[in-house]
Amino acid sequence: EDKVVQSPLSLVVHEGDTVTLNCSYEVTNFRSLLWYKQEKKAPTFLFMLTSSGIEKKSGRLSSILDKKELFSILNITATQTGDSAIYLCAVFQQGGSEKLVFGKGTKLTVNP
Amino acid sequence: DAGITQSPRHKVTETGTPVTLRCHQTENHRYMYWYRQDPGHGLRLIHYSYGVKDTDKGEVSDGYSVSRSKTEDFLLTLESATSSQTSVYFCAITESQVVDTGELFFGEGSRLTVL
Repeated sequence: EDKVVQSPLSLVVHEGDTVTLNCSYEVTNFRSLLWYKQEKKAPTFLFMLTSSGIEKKSGRLSSILDKKELFSILNITATQTGDSAIYLCAVFQQGGSEKLVFGKGTKLTVNP
Repeated sequence: DAGITQSPRHKVTETGTPVTLRCHQTENHRYMYWYRQDPGHGLRLIHYSYGVKDTDKGEVSDGYSVSRSKTEDFLLTLESATSSQTSVYFCAITESQVVDTGELFFGEGSRLTVL
C-alpha cells in the first residue's frame, strides 16, 4: 500500500527558531515529491522535488529529497508567526493513475 | 490564481439525503480531483478525472460518485449522505501540459456537515 508519513504531527516553536519537518514515503512509480502549505483554507504549493540531493530554496524555506532513503525534509529558518500552518507532503505517481498521495501533515505553530 | 470555484461552500444536511458538490474551473485543465480532509487523516483522494467522461476511483471512493460531462465541471455526489461523510471537500486541478510538475491548484473547499 502506498503511504506517505510525516513527522512530527505537530510542533510548537518560538519566533526565530529553525524547524525541520520530515516526510518519508513508500509509493510505486515515484515521480516527484511536493510540499504544500495550508493556512486557513486551500493548500498552496511550495516545492516540487524530483532529483536527489538538489536543494530547492525559497526565502527562509528549503527542501531536499533523498531518493535512496525515500525521504524529504523541509527546513524553515528564522521562523515567523506567519509560518504557522499545516505543512503537507505529497508524492506524485506517474503512469496510469497520475495522482498525488498525501501525508497527514505537520501542524506548525510559531509563537511570538 | 487558478480559476476554481466550489459550490456550495457550506452545507448542512441530514443522513440519507443526496448531496452534490460542484467544482467549476475556468482554466481548461484536463485533470480534476476531489479530496476530503479530516483531522488525523490529511487529504485523501476520492475520485479524479483525466478528461470529459473519464474518471477513476481514489482511495476513499465508497459512497461517492462523480461525473464530468464538460471540461469545466466536475461533480461529486453523495447518493445517501452519512455522518462519516462530514468533512471538508477540496477540488483540485492540474494543467495537462505540466502534469509532470505534480502541482495541484486547490479550490477554497466545501464544508459538509451530515447530521
